[in-house]
Amino acid sequence: GQNIDQPTEMTATEGAIVQINCTYQTSGFNGLFWYQQHAGEAPTFLSYNVLDGLEEKGRFSSFLSRSKGYSYLLLKELQMKDSASYLCAVRPYNTNAGKSTFGDGTTLTVKP
Amino acid sequence: SQTIHQWPATLVQPVGSPLSLECTVEGTSNPNLYWYRQAAGRGLQLLFYSVGIGQISSEVPQNLSASRPQDRQFILSSKKLLLSDSGFYLCAWSVQASTNSPLHFGNGTRLTVT
Repeated sequence: GQNIDQPTEMTATEGAIVQINCTYQTSGFNGLFWYQQHAGEAPTFLSYNVLDGLEEKGRFSSFLSRSKGYSYLLLKELQMKDSASYLCAVRPYNTNAGKSTFGDGTTLTVKP
Repeated sequence: SQTIHQWPATLVQPVGSPLSLECTVEGTSNPNLYWYRQAAGRGLQLLFYSVGIGQISSEVPQNLSASRPQDRQFILSSKKLLLSDSGFYLCAWSVQASTNSPLHFGNGTRLTVT
């Protein structure tokens, strides 16, 4: 089966750095995705990792350790608009279907 | 550029009534198509996916069904809605046979079954 764990909620201060962790146990691994979802809206793609290491995209970075089944999303210079849910998703199978399994998401609240 | 359209945005339906949600994708060919459902405060649950016209795979047993009558059209249906069908329904597409292609979501349909 597939199991993806994330903290339910986190709170951070505007301008600070926050790290959102994700651990996974899946029957296969073909990439890990992070999505951002504002309340009432659809998720939007943030980052993709398939090899170990850090991927940086502006204020957002994502790290992967395949041997540990672990990833984190790092948000720097937090802004109020970063208040959202952050979803970790694993693509376990290398098939045409491209299915992804999602964690329940981490709701981040950024305070002034 | 690619776009995905999903409608309606909100829907209130009585128990036992039928359902039809439609999703279309523009600007790409032969995409993988998906229907996900999200319960309040939860992650996304994959309901159906399709790798081609008429090819539908169901992930969870339920009273919903899906169809793909055209390459870029994906429909979610039910003959008789249950209270438990309430939720946020999201259509998505990805590039077929590409493991690094993310999901691109439509704006979602918030369904309330009363």
